[in-house]
Amino acid sequence: NAGVTQTPKFRILKIGQSMTLQCTQDMNHNYMYWYRQDPGMGLKLIYYSVGAGITDKGEVPNGYNVSRSTTEDFPLRLELAAPSQTSVYFCASLGGGSFGTGELFFGEGSRLTVL
Amino acid sequence: GNSVTQMEGPVTLSEEAFLTINCTYTATGYPSLFWYVQYPGEGLQLLLKATKADDKGSNKGFEATYRKETTSFHLEKGSVQVSDSAVYFCALGIQGAQKLVFGQGTRLTINP
Repeated sequence: NAGVTQTPKFRILKIGQSMTLQCTQDMNHNYMYWYRQDPGMGLKLIYYSVGAGITDKGEVPNGYNVSRSTTEDFPLRLELAAPSQTSVYFCASLGGGSFGTGELFFGEGSRLTVL
Repeated sequence: GNSVTQMEGPVTLSEEAFLTINCTYTATGYPSLFWYVQYPGEGLQLLLKATKADDKGSNKGFEATYRKETTSFHLEKGSVQVSDSAVYFCALGIQGAQKLVFGQGTRLTINP
């Protein structure tokens, strides 16, 4: 069981370039999330989805876009990359129903540097 | 609103020392409480959880008790090991909510 898989693990972008971070889960979870973690800092929620076709903004959505065409996939797109988007990005999915008893499963992270 | 406050880090201890990482919360309703751990270079993983007042979560020698009267969920371990070096996140979730609320994380370093 692969869990949550993110690609790529590392990427260097030039300012103004665009890219997509891929996230796939094989646990049939409805809820999925994208977080960013800046060096020495906690997690900030970028976007989340409660099911295929449904997405919503988190705390820091500016400069990002998401889509959710299937239950399994939740890609995060960066448009016009900026140095402020240098961070480690984590995708997660929620198991076991609502947060009353559920557990978040995280991918290994994608380290992005914008120069 | 809902929020989680953790003790400031970083925390540095010697092997076999006693560990406490403080976590307090504010919440509307009756939250479940979680501790997540992030080892170097990895994503977060659930360490333990408690779903109602006075519950004790435990795993890998770590424990935390859900204290409603003090709105706290402090993480403890009696004898830490070098392998416990990681960042620890306290979090809360509300039944039916769509998002987990995380604390800012506490970096723990254990020296041999």
